[in-house]
Amino acid sequence: TQLLEQSPQFLSIQEGENLTVYCNSSSVFSSLQWYRQEPGEGPVLLVTVVTGGEVKKLKRLTFQFGDARKDSSLHITAAQPGDTGLYLCARGGTSYGKLTFGQGTILTVHP
Amino acid sequence: NAGVTQTPKFRVLKTGQSMTLLCAQDMNHEYMYWYRQDPGMGLRLIHYSVGEGTTAKGEVPDGYNVSRLKKQNFLLGLESAAPSQTSVYFCASSHGVLGVKNIQYFGAGTRLSVL
Repeated sequence: TQLLEQSPQFLSIQEGENLTVYCNSSSVFSSLQWYRQEPGEGPVLLVTVVTGGEVKKLKRLTFQFGDARKDSSLHITAAQPGDTGLYLCARGGTSYGKLTFGQGTILTVHP
Repeated sequence: NAGVTQTPKFRVLKTGQSMTLLCAQDMNHEYMYWYRQDPGMGLRLIHYSVGEGTTAKGEVPDGYNVSRLKKQNFLLGLESAAPSQTSVYFCASSHGVLGVKNIQYFGAGTRLSVL
């Protein structure tokens, strides 16, 4: 059972465009993490959001945690080919640090 | 500093064969995890360990066994491989700090095909 729903599943855009990826749940979670995974590699943590309404920025990436802590978004400004990859959200804050992942969004940025 | 190392990187098995995937971490982490990644499914937790000599079941444990005889190593075994176990397997480790500071570090994965 997928507790986290990510959308869209696929995103193909041109360099310079903006995009937003969404992560939604029917239940409240105490924290949410965003990961980026490149082909042939494991996921790498980008950010952790904890407080409802929290906004974090990482260069051209902006992460937002919904006020009710049931949803989150990742916005990329002026996408570059180097942003290509699989973006995963994951629910944390459970016992023993276990994570529950969304199904991921495959982003392709064309030059 | 290697981080999390998985061996082998690729493997092809026939149905019914057995194999062991090895995960080694050099960060002195307490917690270790095994996930499988399938298209459109994200990562799903198979088994995890919160310390040497301890293991526990995750979301999809059937068909797999694990052992953690040494703190730095976490082994994933398939006793009788099935085509449904074709997947990419990832190992991760973390300090074991409670809450949001518990960051997981992932290996590069093992791509397994069962024919």
